[in-house]
Amino acid sequence: DADVTQTPRNRITKTGKRIMLECSQTKGHDRMYWYRQDPGLGLRLIYYSFDVKDINKGEISDGYSVSRQAQAKFSLSLESAIPNQTALYFCATSERGTGGNQPQHFGDGTRLSIL
Amino acid sequence: AQSVSQHNHHVILSEAASLELGCNYSYGGTVNLFWYVQYPGQHLQLLLKYFSGDPLVKGIKGFEAEFIKSKFSFNLRKPSVQWSDTAEYFCAVNAYNTDKLIFGTGTRLQVFP
Repeated sequence: DADVTQTPRNRITKTGKRIMLECSQTKGHDRMYWYRQDPGLGLRLIYYSFDVKDINKGEISDGYSVSRQAQAKFSLSLESAIPNQTALYFCATSERGTGGNQPQHFGDGTRLSIL
Repeated sequence: AQSVSQHNHHVILSEAASLELGCNYSYGGTVNLFWYVQYPGQHLQLLLKYFSGDPLVKGIKGFEAEFIKSKFSFNLRKPSVQWSDTAEYFCAVNAYNTDKLIFGTGTRLQVFP
């Protein structure tokens, strides 16, 4: 299922570097999300966007920024990476539904390691 | 604030055993409920969902879940697990009209032949 594509799939970088993770989708969905997954903590929402002009902070937005360049593209940036941002990052999309009842569709993830 | 609890962090079963994974949420209003599965090295996939209607919902691969409103629970069940069910299972909830999913911490299931 390549409907939600994340690049890169793996990245190793050094503390202080700026990093951008890309997400693109062919599903035509309005809504896009960025999560990070840490062992034992599940998935936590970083940022989300309901359309091109809409950006919202999630649960753990500090140290991150996003850009919704088009309906199909939503990128996540770490301005100055730090080791505790080492995690697995997922992008997800969903349709506009009734009362939030549409499931989210996930990309394959980006494994980010910060040394 | 909403929260989701999955009390079973790691479950180990033999093939053909029955499975029940617990999920409880804290929110007093109307909710949408989801179970996702993450097979090793893969992305999350939807197993099943509940929005309204029959509180017993059936999903893919023989999984089902029951919404018990009075207990704020949405437990996942499967009568007979297979080795291929080895994965991590996440319960997720969003309050009606919010589109923001809150995930539980996940349950790692290992099934041995």
